[in-house]
Amino acid sequence: DSGVTQTPKHLITATGQRVTLRCSPRSGDLSVYWYQQSLDQGLQFLIQYYNGEERAKGNILERFSAQQFPDLHSELNLSSLELGDSALYFCASSGPRNPYEQYFGPGTRLTVT
Amino acid sequence: SQKIEQNSEALNIQEGKTATLTCNYTNYSPAYLQWYRQDPGRGPVFLLLIRENEKEKRKERLKVTFDTTLKQSLFHITASQPADSATYLCAFPSGNTPLVFGKGTRLSVIA
Repeated sequence: DSGVTQTPKHLITATGQRVTLRCSPRSGDLSVYWYQQSLDQGLQFLIQYYNGEERAKGNILERFSAQQFPDLHSELNLSSLELGDSALYFCASSGPRNPYEQYFGPGTRLTVT
Repeated sequence: SQKIEQNSEALNIQEGKTATLTCNYTNYSPAYLQWYRQDPGRGPVFLLLIRENEKEKRKERLKVTFDTTLKQSLFHITASQPADSATYLCAFPSGNTPLVFGKGTRLSVIA
């Protein structure tokens, strides 16, 4: 158990809809990262937040957005969903002692029908 | 753009043997490189980090080497066990991206 929690575990929704994925980092970790993993693309970095501020941005679509709240939990919002958005979405966190090591949550499996 | 390649999609070895996985990269010189283990449907688990000035790093049955001239990292599991069967990912920071991951090598250790 990494200490990172993600909800929900599974999500099934229709094209055009909007969903919110939630992540709680390990206790004491200030950085949160979001990744998308699909079979053909591997693990793709989406975005990083550090202590509430956006720190780095990857290949995140404009239809996707994220934020980190004062209690350090983070949410990833996916809107106007398309079939191709079906994937595993992982959140990871890292802390000040070992800032380069990322600890991943169990993921949310999103299926868009 | 930078590219990260892991030698093969799948590797099968006999229990007790040493598994060697390769990670090659181009167009970049990362300050460090990491290896993660991922089981099906689960999040990656951090294993080891090796810095550019370190030639080798060990942790129990795991050994990682980092050759910045060859632009290659090797990941070894000695005395492999069926429980070592998983996908192993290498990753390094690139530009503003905290970690870029390879697609992984799926290791199967056969009893």
